[in-house]
Amino acid sequence: NAGVTQTPKFQVLKTGQSMTLQCAQDMNHNSMYWYRQDPGMGLRLIYYSASEGTTDKGEVPNGYNVSRLNKREFSLRLESAAPSQTSVYFCASVRGTQETQYFGPGTRLLVL
Amino acid sequence: RKEVEQDPGPFNVPEGATVAFNCTYSNSASQSFFWYRQDCRKEPKLLMSVYSSGNEDGRFTAQLNRASQYISLLIRDSKLSDSATYLCVVNPNAGNNRKLIWGLGTSLAVNP
Repeated sequence: NAGVTQTPKFQVLKTGQSMTLQCAQDMNHNSMYWYRQDPGMGLRLIYYSASEGTTDKGEVPNGYNVSRLNKREFSLRLESAAPSQTSVYFCASVRGTQETQYFGPGTRLLVL
Repeated sequence: RKEVEQDPGPFNVPEGATVAFNCTYSNSASQSFFWYRQDCRKEPKLLMSVYSSGNEDGRFTAQLNRASQYISLLIRDSKLSDSATYLCVVNPNAGNNRKLIWGLGTSLAVNP
């Protein structure tokens, strides 16, 4: 039981490049989330998916797209990376209506 | 006023000390409250939920004061392994965990 996994762990991009951050959970959780964490800003919600087939914007969705491929997987795509997207990205999942969020280990992204 | 405020610290305490953190929240209608722990360069993990009646888990005690709109975390007999950042989390909506509000965290360093 791996919990929540994220790939890659680290990534360096040049401005304008695109990439997809992958997230998968094996806990049969319904809801999945993407956050970014920046110094002095705390965790901010980018997008979330309440269930398979649904996605909604969070607090800071601009510049990102998401895809809930199936119940297990929730990917985050940067179509044209910008230096402002340099951050640590965390994926999280929640079972049903419970509130405990289980986080993946994070992806550290540097955009030059 | 920020939605969730925490003293960033750092709190430097010797092993065995008792330390307490407070977290204030602005939305009086907030429904549920949590403390998460985040180790350096790791993902946040749930430490404990905060109930109206207060709750205790070993050396950790959490309290909620709705009248003054704050929650607290007390750590007794501090261990070196307690060194981490403690994140205060508030859910303003019952049964809806999409809009959790995360504090910036309080840094604790326990020294030998």
